[in-house]
Amino acid sequence: DQQVKQNSPSLSVQEGRISILNCDYTNSMFDYFLWYKKYPAEGPTFLISISSIKDKNEDGRFTVFLNKSAKHLSLHIVPSQPGDSAVYFCAAIFGNEKLTFGTGTRLTIIP
Amino acid sequence: EAQVTQNPRYLITVTGKKLTVTCSQNMNHEYMSWYRQDPGLGLRQIYYSMNVEVTDKGDVPEGYKVSRKEKRNFPLILESPSPNQTSLYFCASRRTGRGREQYFGPGTRLTVT
Repeated sequence: DQQVKQNSPSLSVQEGRISILNCDYTNSMFDYFLWYKKYPAEGPTFLISISSIKDKNEDGRFTVFLNKSAKHLSLHIVPSQPGDSAVYFCAAIFGNEKLTFGTGTRLTIIP
Repeated sequence: EAQVTQNPRYLITVTGKKLTVTCSQNMNHEYMSWYRQDPGLGLRQIYYSMNVEVTDKGDVPEGYKVSRKEKRNFPLILESPSPNQTSLYFCASRRTGRGREQYFGPGTRLTVT
């Protein structure tokens, strides 16, 4: 039972444009959501997070939006840069329980 | 430098030969966990530990063991590895209070023949 889903395995975006990565979840108990970025041969690194009491969180070029009624979150990267090419995982957690990860989306930024 | 370290980074072994992958963190984190990453399946949790001497199963614990005798170390043990345990393994740690961002090690690529 996949509680966190990333339905797009891959996404290609032109450099300078907006990248939008999507994530859906089924467990309404999740109260904290995170995005991780992963380069080949490296461990995932934390990118940005959002609490369920908010609907938006920004950090520089990265913004995460949360729509609790739709059980949907998205990561916006503006403007997209070549160094953003990586695999992006969304993850969710409630309380002190384990992080549940999505299957990842491979983002490719085209110069 | 705050980090999670894993050793070895790469390992090729044969079916049935016991192995241990070490994990250490220097951030005084209470929570540590192990994940495996497989194509199309994302990151799946194997075992986790909320603190010293407290461990529990994750989503895919079969064939693995862990121990947490010290706060900084959380080794992953494969007593009798099988080919279906060929995977990329990540150790991670985080605090248990506010700010639940998890920090990952660089990964261990294991091949069991």
